[in-house]
Amino acid sequence: DVKVTQSSRYLVKRTGEKVFLECVQDMDHENMFWYRQDPGLGLRLIYFSYDVKMKEKGDIPEGYSVSREKKERFSLILESASTNQTSMYLCATHRGQTDTQYFGPGTRLTVL
Amino acid sequence: QKEVEQNSGPLSVPEGAIASLNCTYSDRGSQSFFWYRQYSGKSPELIMFIYSNGDKEDGRFTAQLNKASQYVSLLIRDSQPSDSATYLCAPQAAGNKLTFGGGTRVLVKP
Repeated sequence: DVKVTQSSRYLVKRTGEKVFLECVQDMDHENMFWYRQDPGLGLRLIYFSYDVKMKEKGDIPEGYSVSREKKERFSLILESASTNQTSMYLCATHRGQTDTQYFGPGTRLTVL
Repeated sequence: QKEVEQNSGPLSVPEGAIASLNCTYSDRGSQSFFWYRQYSGKSPELIMFIYSNGDKEDGRFTAQLNKASQYVSLLIRDSQPSDSATYLCAPQAAGNKLTFGGGTRVLVKP
């Protein structure tokens, strides 16, 4: 079974703090994704990565950056957290074209 | 116009009935289509995928795809209370990116 883990289930941070969300997968998948999910807006893609040190902007990259130094780990960074970044953050991994994306359990981030 | 359109619901169906969920998409380059189920507070899990026009059946679930009409649907037969969840439609275009619809909330009443 594919296992995708995220560093925290719940996180509370203050405005202006630098926030790191970590995602680790154990299936040697090349593709990894970060989404945020908000009521009424669905899942929106923030960033994705096809390989180590590769990254591509998704639909809503503003205010975020990512890092992928190792194949199994994909980090989402909020350089200066703001209240409008309060959301559920989901990491996903994907092997190839006709394969599904496997999701981690999610991190519910609250920025005060 | 949104790229992927789903009726937000809730779609209320009695136990044992058929639930019919619809999804339209705008990207004609979409090649594969995924249906995910998401329980409240949980992450999405795959229930079906389809990439050829026509029907695909898996247990109580049937996916139907019509690329010419840019339409994909999901039928849930013999609906159970455990099917109560939000169902997300996700076409996949080139580059392995999925674009998610807003989801349809299904309520199965005993």
